Amino acid sequence: AQSVTQLGSHVSVSEGALVLLRCNYSSSVPPYLFWYVQYPNQGLQLLLKYTSAATLVKGINGFEAEFKKSETSFHLTKPSAHMSDAAEYFCAVSVWTASKLTFGTGTRLQVTL
Amino acid sequence: GAGVSQSPSNKVTEKGKDVELRCDPISGHTALYWYRQSLGQGLEFLIYFQGNSAPDKSGLPSDRFSAERTGGSVSTLTIQRTQQEDSAVYLCASSLGRGPTGGEQYFGPGTRLTVT
Repeated sequence: AQSVTQLGSHVSVSEGALVLLRCNYSSSVPPYLFWYVQYPNQGLQLLLKYTSAATLVKGINGFEAEFKKSETSFHLTKPSAHMSDAAEYFCAVSVWTASKLTFGTGTRLQVTL
Repeated sequence: GAGVSQSPSNKVTEKGKDVELRCDPISGHTALYWYRQSLGQGLEFLIYFQGNSAPDKSGLPSDRFSAERTGGSVSTLTIQRTQQEDSAVYLCASSLGRGPTGGEQYFGPGTRLTVT
């Protein structure tokens, strides 16, 4: 069985500040991990994915995440927030031989001036 | 190229009516997924099709829900005798296939279903 926990349903940062969105996973097999972003009234867009290669993964829009097996974490970071980053972010886990993504409950990121 | 498309974008129906939601995956993608996004339950997997294999229906919440995929392309999700708790955004995704290089899922914009 797999599960994902996202700490903090709402995160607010100032423009230019560091963004840190937390994700912890549970998996009985080596996981594949994903971060998706959802803008209002839109579908999900893949930001980045971990597929057992490099533990530091770089994605689109300046985001990156680090897979830490010892901490069962896959936190999402961005050095400097932009207003356009305001959205909802979902962490997800899957097993490559399986079919479904199991999502966390999401974190809504607010960026203020 | 074209992404995943879904229709209708919005659907309002009366309790007890049947509804059909349509998904057109990205051309060449052999895997197709349905998810549901609701305030109470978050993002939930519903069903998965991969090529000619039997679909994985493990996420369907009740026997009122069914889905088919014709010709390995377009998929229809059918909800019979709709209930108010079925109100949600239904998301479709597709991917090239299974495995580490084929598992990335591309999502459509969703169909917002409101049951009155």
